[in-house]
Amino acid sequence: KQEVTQIPAALSVPEGENLVLNCSFTDSAIYNLQWFRQDPGKGLTSLLLIQSSQREQTSGRLNASLDKSSGRSTLYIAASQPGDSATYLCAVYKFYFGSGTKLNVKP
Amino acid sequence: DGGITQSPKYLFRKEGQNVTLSCEQNLNHDAMYWYRQDPGQGLRLIYYSQIVNDFQKGDIAEGYSVSREKKESFPLTVTSAQKNPTAFYLCASSIGGNSWDEQFFGPGTRLTVL
Repeated sequence: KQEVTQIPAALSVPEGENLVLNCSFTDSAIYNLQWFRQDPGKGLTSLLLIQSSQREQTSGRLNASLDKSSGRSTLYIAASQPGDSATYLCAVYKFYFGSGTKLNVKP
Repeated sequence: DGGITQSPKYLFRKEGQNVTLSCEQNLNHDAMYWYRQDPGQGLRLIYYSQIVNDFQKGDIAEGYSVSREKKESFPLTVTSAQKNPTAFYLCASSIGGNSWDEQFFGPGTRLTVL
């Protein structure tokens, strides 16, 4: 069974800092990996979807990379803003979710 | 606007009662999903449906039931057999049932058992 781990569980950074969130998975035979954002008490918003044939995807200040051989994905957030404060989750095989990284960007 | 709606936003249930959570989508997606989220945890799959009149159990289906009579609707019933139903319930859909299809989520329903 696929296991998905996100470290750290929580992260606090000052505004303007570049940061990296990590997602690791045990079975490298994945089709894609999806990154989501979740605000408190809300549903999940899709940020980026990386297909298994791709190595990275970019959207604005966000860049996600995928290394299937090592079972890892990273979400890079450039020039962080207080509005980026949320929990970020990754999912593989659609159904398998990490427990998320709670990000706090301090003004 | 295309999207996924869930109702109600908050739901309170007495022990021993069945309750039904609504999920509707107007994205013309074939596949729909129900997840449960507990505090500080990731999502766990309850049921999913890849096509009308067909659905499969996920990892934690015990105490739950679903139906898929229409493409746009996938209601979830939390039965009295579910021992610990207090949680945040999320509905999602994707264009198809393939593992590589992107998922989109509704706003969620928070269920509390009194």
